[in-house]
Amino acid sequence: DTAVSQTPKYLVTQMGNDKSIKCEQNLGHDTMYWYKQDSKKFLKIMFSYNNKELIINETVPNRFSPKSPDKAHLNLHINSLELGDSAVYFCASSKQANSYEQYFGPGTRLTVT
Amino acid sequence: DQQVKQNSPSLSVQEGRISILNCDYTNSMFDYFLWYKKYPAEGPTFLISISSIKDKNEDGRFTVFLNKSAKHLSLHIVPSQPGDSAVYFCAAKPPGNTPLVFGKGTRLSVIA
Repeated sequence: DTAVSQTPKYLVTQMGNDKSIKCEQNLGHDTMYWYKQDSKKFLKIMFSYNNKELIINETVPNRFSPKSPDKAHLNLHINSLELGDSAVYFCASSKQANSYEQYFGPGTRLTVT
Repeated sequence: DQQVKQNSPSLSVQEGRISILNCDYTNSMFDYFLWYKKYPAEGPTFLISISSIKDKNEDGRFTVFLNKSAKHLSLHIVPSQPGDSAVYFCAAKPPGNTPLVFGKGTRLSVIA
């Protein structure tokens, strides 16, 4: 009964490959997010969806494409992976887009070799 | 351009003593501040928050203090317990449909 779940937990792949990370929340929240935690340990917002609509799109290469098939799911597809994409990616959700409290998934550690 | 700064990457405290984690911010538009706690291989979990109209919020062993004039907040944990050992992230939110802005985190080690 995990509130926010992500798969896979670990992902090792080679440069140039395409990969996807999946996220699901069972909290009934309207808003979902993708964050990236890089080697400098900053947690930075990448995207946010509210009721399946993109509302935040920070400066992220267009190789990253989020998809929200319904408001409980937000997947992240990454094309042509680069070494610099290696990071931990966290999915999160909140009741509404202007809610303060966010609930995070366990993270997906992506390593690009 | 770090809008939220946690200048201490790590802190060690003895069990039973007070832990004080600090956070500074630059954006005066932030109207809500949060602390998240993160264990290894897990996502951050919400710990405590404070609105910009308050200067103190307490929840059990955890108290957050906000000094708006200094653009500074702190998290006090009393008494500290070994299970409190984790990375603590400070986060701030501007009004509206805007994302949280996180600091780099402070690793707290509580020594038994």
